This record gives sequence, C-alpha cells and structure tokens, in this order.
Amino acid sequence: ETGVTQSPTHLIKTRGQQVTLRCSSQSGHNTVSWYQQALGQGPQFIFQYYREEENGRGNFPPRFSGLQFPNYSSELNVNALELDDSALYLCASSLAGQINSPLHFGNGTRLTVT
Amino acid sequence: GESVGLHLPTLSVQEGDNSIINCAYSNSASDYFIWYKQESGKGPQFIIDIRSNMDKRQGQRVTVLLNKTVKHLSLQIAATQPGDSAVYFCAENMGNAGNMLTFGGGTRLMVKP
Repeated sequence: ETGVTQSPTHLIKTRGQQVTLRCSSQSGHNTVSWYQQALGQGPQFIFQYYREEENGRGNFPPRFSGLQFPNYSSELNVNALELDDSALYLCASSLAGQINSPLHFGNGTRLTVT
Repeated sequence: GESVGLHLPTLSVQEGDNSIINCAYSNSASDYFIWYKQESGKGPQFIIDIRSNMDKRQGQRVTVLLNKTVKHLSLQIAATQPGDSAVYFCAENMGNAGNMLTFGGGTRLMVKP
C-alpha cells in the first residue's frame, strides 16, 4: 500500500509569484484534502476534492485553487503569494462513502515566501 | 466561531508513566473525533478515532474518552515511551459527510528518560 506523497518537500518563492504543489493520494483513496499549517499551529482546512470537483472549502481566498485528476492525484495552486502564505501545506486522502474514513496525511510541502 | 482547543500546550512525563492529553470542543454538531500525532518534519499520523455515539475506544496503548456532556475529549497513552514524544492534535468533523476536519492548536508531549 502506497501512502500519500507530496512534492516538492521544500520551496522558496517571492511575494507575488505563483506556486503549484502536488499530491499523490494513498492507493485505494478517491478523496483529497488540502490543509495549511502555520508554524506552531494546527492544520487549517483549505478545500477537498472528490470526483475531480471541489466539494468543500474552508476560509481561504479564491487565489487558493486546486485540481484533482482521474487518477485521484491533486494539485494546490496559490496565486499572488503573500508573506503569510509561508506554511507547511499538507495533503490528505481518504475514501469517500466509507463512514468516517480517517484522513491519511503526507509529510507536506514547506513553502517559504520572501 | 466554534472551534476545537486544548487545555495544555506542553506536557512532560516520565518514561513508563501514563499520559493524558485533553481537548475541549464547542461544536455540538460534531459527530466524529480524531487524534493525530505529529513528529518533527512529518505530517500528522492517525492514532485513534471515536464517534459521538461512543464514550470510550481503546487501541494499542491508547484510549480515547469522549464526554459529550461537557464537550471534552482526552487521549490516554499507557506506559509512555520516548517514541511518543511529539505534538498531539485533536480534530473534529465539522458536522459534514466529507470528513473536513477542524484541528485544535496541539499539545507537545515530552517524555523524559
């Protein structure tokens, strides 16, 4: 069984730039969620994708967007980067239709915006 | 707004002792709760979960207790080991079918040899 994998592991961008983060879900999982974790805080829900569509979103602006592909992998895109976007971005996968299927997280992408 | 929070930011225990990590929640509509462990440089790792129709659930060396009356959740770790040192998060399902979680701020557990 392959776990959740994310790339890249670290990334440095300049304010105003755009970034794309990638995630491969755990085998057998069809739902992908993205979370932002600021240093010293708990993860915050960004959005979730199922059947290649966004089916839930947290309190994040539209410059945070995503995609899910037919193989259930996913991308998180952030436009017009701000300094406060510096955080660990976590991808998690689960199986929709299974009651309370626990989220399985990857090790994240550490984004630094300068 | 409603949120999940933790009572103690840091807990220090002696190796071999039992650890108890507490969490308060305020969303009465939440029906599913999860504990995660996060080690430095890694993503959160699932430990144990519990549904709102249960009061207690046991795993290997871990027990989760849910008190819906006072909206309190706890994680008990038996015979704490150095490998248990990490940050522990409680999370709640925001009352939806999509398993979209609200996390607390985390408690750091430090195990002294």
